Amino acid sequence: DTGVSQDPRHKITKRGQNVTFRCDPISEHNRLYWYRQTLGQGPEFLTYFQNEAQLEKSRLLSDRFSAERPKGSFSTLEIQRTEQGDSAMYLCASSRLPDRDRAGNTIYFGEGSWLTVV
Amino acid sequence: SQELEQSPQSLIVQEGKNLTINCTSSKTLYGLYWYKQKYGEGLIFLMMLQKGGEEKSHEKITAKLDEKKQQSSLHITASQPSHAGIYLCGADGRTNFGNEKLTFGTGTRLTIIP
Repeated sequence: DTGVSQDPRHKITKRGQNVTFRCDPISEHNRLYWYRQTLGQGPEFLTYFQNEAQLEKSRLLSDRFSAERPKGSFSTLEIQRTEQGDSAMYLCASSRLPDRDRAGNTIYFGEGSWLTVV
Repeated sequence: SQELEQSPQSLIVQEGKNLTINCTSSKTLYGLYWYKQKYGEGLIFLMMLQKGGEEKSHEKITAKLDEKKQQSSLHITASQPSHAGIYLCGADGRTNFGNEKLTFGTGTRLTIIP
């Protein structure tokens, strides 16, 4: 496995600009997750996909945030009209579908994309 | 909603010593993940526990799940500098063990003194 890949790793943007992050999950992983992490805190769930379907969104995901996974492979997370409060690390993760007959699904995280809004 | 509390928040240990990190849930634990994170980097998967009483080990790290106490512990034996980092526990309190939506603790920062 090549692991979960995220791009860019770092992004500095001016307030009001739009930014987009890309995530390439581990191949054959049906599920893809987005989390946000601020300094000193654990990651917070934003949304997840099963194949191309977005199955759940957190209240943290305001109208300015949109995530897509058009072909059930890579995903993008776009933030429109960025605010300083959006500064955080955005983590992507992926996993296989759960199967209770096996050991369960391990969720693998990428290296994260740091966003700084100035 | 489920909350996970980790203790201690930070730990400074001399190399070679043993240590334990605890993770306590406000709700029943149906499964629990342990991850390690270096500052500014992603999460590295350590272990996943699914059943009450389950115990797993990998190299010098052992994790246990006490379902009744809604608690998990992570124990490191003979700590090494490579063990330094932030340890995070994550869980999905829902009965369907799909773990679609993990709630994480705030982490335990481990420092190893040579």
